[in-house]
This record gives sequence, C-alpha cells and structure tokens, in this order.
Amino acid sequence: GENVEQHPSTLSVQEGDSAVIKCTYSDSASNYFPWYKQELGKRPQLIIDIRSNVGEKKDQRIAVTLNKTAKHFSLHITETQPEDSAVYFCAASTPLEKLQFGAGTQVVVTP
Amino acid sequence: DTAVSQTPKYLVTQMGNDKSIKCEQNLGHDTMYWYKQDSKKFLKIMFSYNNKELIINETVPNRFSPKSPDKAHLNLHINSLELGDSAVYFCASSQVASGANVLTFGAGSRLTVL
Repeated sequence: GENVEQHPSTLSVQEGDSAVIKCTYSDSASNYFPWYKQELGKRPQLIIDIRSNVGEKKDQRIAVTLNKTAKHFSLHITETQPEDSAVYFCAASTPLEKLQFGAGTQVVVTP
Repeated sequence: DTAVSQTPKYLVTQMGNDKSIKCEQNLGHDTMYWYKQDSKKFLKIMFSYNNKELIINETVPNRFSPKSPDKAHLNLHINSLELGDSAVYFCASSQVASGANVLTFGAGSRLTVL
C-alpha cells in the first residue's frame, strides 16, 4: 500500500518568512495529492490539492509542487502570518483508493 | 447547515464501558469514513463505507464496530473501552465517484477513557 513520509515534524518561522513542507510517497500509481490544514482544536480542512498531470499549483500565498519522477511533493507558504500557525498534513491516493496521510507538520509562526 | 456533523463532541467514560459516536453528512456524498487522531496528531483511517457498504477496514480491534444505516450516516460503536482508545475521532465524507477524493471532516469527538 501507499506510504507517505512528511518532513519536518515541526517548523518555526518568523512572520513574513517562507515555510516549506516536503512529502514523499511510495506508490507510483498515486495521482492525487491534497494538503490539509488543522488549526488547534479544529477539524482538518483542505487548503490546496494537485493532480499528477500538473507540476505546480498556486493559490495566493500557498503553492504546491509535484515531482512524479522523484515521487515527492511540497507545500510552500510565502509571507507567513500568525494565522498560518497550524498542523499541516500531506496525503496521497490512487483513484478510488483511501487517502494515506503523512504524519503532519506543526508550523509555528512567530511575530 | 453543518455539512458533516458528529455527536457527541466530548465523551468521558470509564474503562470497560461501551459508547457510540454518531455521524451524519448532508452533502450527498457516497463515501464516509472514521479517522482516529491520537495525541501525536497522526490521522489514522479506521473504516470507510461507500453507499452503505464497508470498503476499508483497517487493522482495528473488533471492539470497534461501524454501522451505516444509510449513505448519509455512519456511526461508530466501541465496546469494552480501554485507556488507549482515548483520542479524537473524526468522521469524514467524500464523493469518490466524482474522481476527487476530497474529504470533508466533522468537528471531531474527543473520547477520554479513565
């Protein structure tokens, strides 16, 4: 089955700096890669996703990149703000299969 | 209207008791899930139902029994609760038939076993 590894487990950044979270996956058949954000005490919510036919996708201050050959994908947050502090989860799945989540990255943005 | 609602939000109980958590979705999705999130924040899938049929059953003790009376509801019953069952349990739904496995999560049910 699919195995997703996520790094780092914690990330502290100064407000205004960029944050990068990296994930690798094992199943070359995986073609859907979402990112979820979970604020303290809240539910995980989808913030951005990418499919395997696309190499990069951007939505305001967040972007995802995908390298199918290397089987890794990354989340980039630019101009970080305190409200970006949360746990971020990457995930991967093949069509009609379950999402396999990474272990999560605790992002702390300090003013 | 809440898209995925689960009750109760908090549950505190003694070891050995039996408890249930209920989940309902009003999104018309075809698939529902139960996830367990422990203190280390790892999201682990437990069960998945597609149109009332069990399609994913991870390695979960058989003390956990899901029930899906219809495709809008997925309940979780836990027998003989143990300390290690303490966690936040999230219900989620998605429309797998659309080809986009986008999960909508409920607010979570925090279970504390004493």
